[in-house]
Amino acid sequence: GENVEQHPSTLSVQEGDSAVIKCTYSDSASNYFPWYKQELGKRPQLIIDIRSNVGEKKDQRIAVTLNKTAKHFSLHITETQPEDSAVYFCAAMTKEYGNKLVFGAGTILRVKS
Amino acid sequence: KAGVTQTPRYLIKTRGQQVTLSCSPISGHRSVSWYQQTPGQGLQFLFEYFSETQRNKGNFPGRFSGRQFSNSRSEMNVSTLELGDSALYLCASSFTEETQYFGPGTRLLVL
Repeated sequence: GENVEQHPSTLSVQEGDSAVIKCTYSDSASNYFPWYKQELGKRPQLIIDIRSNVGEKKDQRIAVTLNKTAKHFSLHITETQPEDSAVYFCAAMTKEYGNKLVFGAGTILRVKS
Repeated sequence: KAGVTQTPRYLIKTRGQQVTLSCSPISGHRSVSWYQQTPGQGLQFLFEYFSETQRNKGNFPGRFSGRQFSNSRSEMNVSTLELGDSALYLCASSFTEETQYFGPGTRLLVL
């Protein structure tokens, strides 16, 4: 089955700097890759997603890149702000039978002001 | 549209008991997936229902079961609770076959 690895497990950046989180997946049939942000005590919130027919997608300060050949995808946050501090999860969807998201272990992002 | 809702939000049970959790998807969404979130294992897929049929199942024992009703509301049941079942149980609904929106979760504590 699908396996998703996420790095780093924790990331501290200074306010205004950029943050990059990387994920690799194992199943070449996976074709949908969302990123979720989870603040303490809250539900995971979808922040951006990318499909396998697209190499890059951007939404204001957030961007995601996908390299299908290498089977990895990355989240880029520019001009980080204290409210970006949260746990970020990457995921890959394998559609063998219906929807099934396989998540990475998560990255704790701390933005220091 | 109202978001995904889950009830109850918190539960305390003792070992050996059973529990039923409920999830109401976003209006119009027919797919409901369930996930277990723990500090040690992260977010793990339990099962997915679409139009009252289970389409996919994760690697959990048979004590974990679910169902979906004709209005797309879903329930999951855990029988013979174990200490290790303490977790945040999240459901997510989707309209397409991809984008999933999560509910606030039910935090279950097994004593």
